Amino acid sequence: QSALTQPRSVSGSPGQSVTISCTGTSSDVGGYNYVSWYQQHPGKAPKLMIYDVSKRPSGVPDRFSGSKSGNTASLTISGLQAEDEADYYCCSYAGSYIYVFGTGTKVTVL
Amino acid sequence: EVQLVESGGGLVQPGGSLRLSCAASGFTFSTYSMNWVRQAPGKGLEWVSYISSSSSTIYYADSVKGRFTISRDNAQNSLYLQMNSLRDEDTAVYYCARDAPTSGSYFPDYWGQGTLVTVSS
Repeated sequence: QSALTQPRSVSGSPGQSVTISCTGTSSDVGGYNYVSWYQQHPGKAPKLMIYDVSKRPSGVPDRFSGSKSGNTASLTISGLQAEDEADYYCCSYAGSYIYVFGTGTKVTVL
Repeated sequence: EVQLVESGGGLVQPGGSLRLSCAASGFTFSTYSMNWVRQAPGKGLEWVSYISSSSSTIYYADSVKGRFTISRDNAQNSLYLQMNSLRDEDTAVYYCARDAPTSGSYFPDYWGQGTLVTVSS
């Protein structure tokens, strides 16, 4: 299973919006509506931010939103805040209880 | 509060073995599937293995198949990963992660803090 492709880094000023793409294949992202997104601060465990493409767990700000088109999923952070600076990973179900993660994107708040 | 606490990491020589444990609390462990996910230093996340709630279904990433064995003890609320024939490229922080709480959906939701495994001579 090959890792999903994400941009290495994205950046934005406080209050702006940034979007992170996550490109896979028809065997993972394109084949299932089971894309999730995780935020990871340095030295910390990943935290679930989005699941099932666009659903937010309780407690996650509505500034975070997810979508999918074909083999590419996206995470958008609106109204960027300093605490959003972190690494973000997408994850897709690939069938047979197998998960594929993205390459990771570093979000920098300028 | 859901808590997952990994242990058992450390320094091991290539070809050696190590057994990781994950102690779960704050939820009914026996009703959830579980995963192991690893992260090499400075690298991204890599799914390693999955085990269903009853241990009836188990899957491995190709990179560890035949060398790693996942298991669980529902009476002890514990998840395990037996790692044999370790290689340099197995060096990583290993996380245990609970699987989706709702049937018909697939995603790891809660993660432990991880335990570092270093394979080096």
